[in-house]
Amino acid sequence: DAGVTQSPTHLIKTRGQQVTLRCSPKSGHDTVSWYQQALGQGPQFIFQYYEEEERQRGNFPDRFSGHQFPNYSSELNVNALLLGDSALYLCASSPQTWDTQYFGPGTRLTVL
Amino acid sequence: AQSVTQLDSQVPVFEEAPVELRCNYSSSVSVYLFWYVQYPNQGLQLLLKYLSGSTLVKGINGFEAEFNKSQTSFHLRKPSVHISDTAEYFCAVSELSATNKLIFGTGTLLAVQP
Repeated sequence: DAGVTQSPTHLIKTRGQQVTLRCSPKSGHDTVSWYQQALGQGPQFIFQYYEEEERQRGNFPDRFSGHQFPNYSSELNVNALLLGDSALYLCASSPQTWDTQYFGPGTRLTVL
Repeated sequence: AQSVTQLDSQVPVFEEAPVELRCNYSSSVSVYLFWYVQYPNQGLQLLLKYLSGSTLVKGINGFEAEFNKSQTSFHLRKPSVHISDTAEYFCAVSELSATNKLIFGTGTLLAVQP
C-alpha cells in the first residue's frame, strides 16, 4: 500500500517565479493538507482540501493557492516567489477531514 | 487559539538511557494530541496519538506518552534509547472539530550518543 507521495523531491527557483508542487494521497484517503516547514521550525498549516474545495486556510498570503482533483490528488501553487518561501513543503492525507494525518516525504523548495 | 510548547530544543542522551521529551499545549477547547518523528531529509512519521480513553498511550519503536489534562502536557518517553532514535520529534495538537488542522511545536532534536 503506497503511502503519500510528493513530486518533485527538490526544486530550485528564482525570486518572482511560480512553482507547482504535487501530492498523491494514501489509498483510501480523500482529504489533503499542505504544510510549510522552514529550516529549524515546526510545520505550519497552509490549507486543507476536501471534495475539491478548500475547507480551511492558515495564515498564508493569496500567493499560495491549491487545487484538488477528482482522484483526490492535489497541487500547491506559489506565485511571485520570495526568498522566504524557501522551505520543505509537506503534504498530508487523511481518510476523513477530522482523522489522523499521514505525511509524505516533502518537496524541498529553494528560492534564489 | 491553540499553541504547543516544546521546552527543549535539543536533548542529548547516551545509548540505552531513558529519555523524556516535554510538550505543553494551550487550548480553550478539547484537543487531540500527537507525536511525530522526522528523520534527516524525510517527512513526518506518526509515533503515537491521544484521542480519548486511557491517558497512557503506546506508540511505535517503544515510545509512550502520557496525557495530563490538569497540566496540559503530553510528554514523550522511552525507557532505553538506541542510536537509531536520533531524530527531530514534534508534538502537535488539533481541535476536536470538523477539520484536523495540526498545530506543531518547534521540535526537539533527540541526539543519542554511543
